[in-house]
Order: sequence, then C-alpha cells, then structure tokens
Amino acid sequence: QVQLQQWGAGLLQPSETLSLTCTVNGGSFSGYYGGWIRQPPGKGLEWIGEINDSGTTNYNPSLKSRVIISVDMSKNQVSLKLSSVTAADTAVYYCARGGLRWFSNWGQGTLVTVSS
Amino acid sequence: DIQMTQSPSSLSASVGDSVTITCRTSQSISRFLNWYRQRPGKAPELLIFSTSNLQSGIPSRFSGSGSGTDFTLTISSLQPEDFAIYSCQQSYSVPWTFGQGTKVEIK
Repeated sequence: QVQLQQWGAGLLQPSETLSLTCTVNGGSFSGYYGGWIRQPPGKGLEWIGEINDSGTTNYNPSLKSRVIISVDMSKNQVSLKLSSVTAADTAVYYCARGGLRWFSNWGQGTLVTVSS
Repeated sequence: DIQMTQSPSSLSASVGDSVTITCRTSQSISRFLNWYRQRPGKAPELLIFSTSNLQSGIPSRFSGSGSGTDFTLTISSLQPEDFAIYSCQQSYSVPWTFGQGTKVEIK
C-alpha cells in the first residue's frame, strides 16, 4: 500500500524559509506528479505547486516568487521550500502524489506555525 | 483563477440518510472536477475524479455528476465514517483550486 511520509520544521520565525520533504513508501514518484497543498487553520485547501518525475514544475502564481519544489528520484523524495514566510503562511502542509489533475495519495500533514 | 463555490457550507444528517453537495465553478471546466473527503484531523482522501469516476477502494454509495459549471456529490446512505468535510477541486486549468468545503455533521 502506498504511503507518503513527510517531515520538516514546524515552527518558524517571520522571514525564514519553510522546508519540507516527502517520501513514498510502497511506491514511487516515477510516472506521477508530486505536489504540495496547504490548509490554514479552519480554512480550505490551497494548491501550492507540483513536479513530475522529469522535473517539470507548475506553481500557484500567488506563491510562485517564493516557492521551489524539487524531486530526487534516487531517494523517491519531493521537497518544498517556501521563502520569506509570514504569519499568513501558517497552515497544515500536505504532500500528495497523483496524476496531473488529481491527488490520489496524501501525506499525514505537517503543521507549520510562523511566529516571532 | 477559477473560483469554486460549494453549497451548503454545512449540513446535518443521520446515518442512512442520502445527502447531496453542490459545487459551482466560475467558468466552464467540462468534467474536470474531483471530490475529496477529509475526516477530522486527517489528510484529504480522493473519492471521485473527473466528475463521476470512483477512486479505487471507495464505496459505491458515493457518486458524482455534472458538467460545465455545476456538479454534485451524492452519498446514498451515510455511514459513521462519512461525517467529515467534503471539498471539490477543479483540474481544468492551473492553478488547481478547491472549494471552501462542506461539513457533514451528525444530526
């Protein structure tokens, strides 16, 4: 059974860089997109961006200037970096695997809090 | 960006009831519409992709329909595990966007 496991720092100060990594157990990112989605407390889901196994990326224009998503196929890992974070970036961040158009497998989520 | 509007925002129902959730988009998206269930404290789970295709392992009590700008998710006989938040997602154009969610609560 495919499971996504994610990790990274949960508490950041304003202006720092958020860094999260996600790995697939029981499967691979080969032939799939690896994406990141976030959910602010009590709010809906927001798509951040995604990458395929060739390294082609799509980003949400609202975050594009601050986001880098990368893939390491040798480790079966996808990573997210979001720079210059503010309190507005406080959210649960999810990694996900899927086809181009939907997300069929999700990580457990990481609560990232931005506070001074 | 394509705006997604779900209705209702919340509803109360009993085990065994049939419920319908609606998702409306700000422009036509053909049938590029997906549905997710999110149980409390858990990650979203894909239920239906491309309007009406049931994801593997999802019970047949879930069904979806629609096209263009109006879509529905129907749960034919609510089970205890279905009390959750349901979100639609358009996959017609980037950036992919989600509805604000519909909370299904126990009556």
